[in-house]
Amino acid sequence: DAGVIQSPRHEVTEMGQEVTLRCKPISGHDYLFWYRQTMMRGLELLIYFNNNVPIDDSGMPEDRFSAKMPNASFSTLKIQPSEPRDSAVYFCASSEDTFYGYTFGSGTRLTVV
Amino acid sequence: ILNVEQSPQSLHVQEGDSTNFTCSFPSSNFYALHWYRWETAKSPEALFVMTLNGDEKKKGRISATLNTKEGYSYLYIKGSQPEDSATYLCAYDRDDKIIFGKGTRLHILP
Repeated sequence: DAGVIQSPRHEVTEMGQEVTLRCKPISGHDYLFWYRQTMMRGLELLIYFNNNVPIDDSGMPEDRFSAKMPNASFSTLKIQPSEPRDSAVYFCASSEDTFYGYTFGSGTRLTVV
Repeated sequence: ILNVEQSPQSLHVQEGDSTNFTCSFPSSNFYALHWYRWETAKSPEALFVMTLNGDEKKKGRISATLNTKEGYSYLYIKGSQPEDSATYLCAYDRDDKIIFGKGTRLHILP
């Protein structure tokens, strides 16, 4: 298994532009999580899905952020419009059952200038 | 507010010495406690998952203990090696979501 696949690995964009981050979870994992990592706040949960349905989006910072999971093998996190304070590493993780922990993707490093 | 606290934030340890650090978490609605090892430029890697009060887990030179009644877990590293340099994250698992601490950054000095 190739693990959790995220793309792109790096993204540099100008303030105001739309940014879309992509994630392919491990096949058979029913849970998918989006995390944001910053030096100040550590690893924060943004949103998670169970069987493609959003369960908890209380960590999504504001309306500029949205996430979708149209099928079991693909999820997107979109920021529109992007702002410099959105600069961070965004991780996607999937899990068969959270008891067993998560498998993380390699992350997308987003820089908004 | 759910707080998962890890201490110390950063730690420098001489190669060969043993060390330990702490994770504190809410003792209510506890499901599991996870430890992850996170090397720079890589994604977090699962080390242990513990569920029962008094659980102890061991993986080579690394071990962990769990106290769910008082809400803390310790991670121990025996005979530190340069490859142990990483950030160690603990995560409190409840209601199908996991809340991470900010980690302890461990530096092994040659």
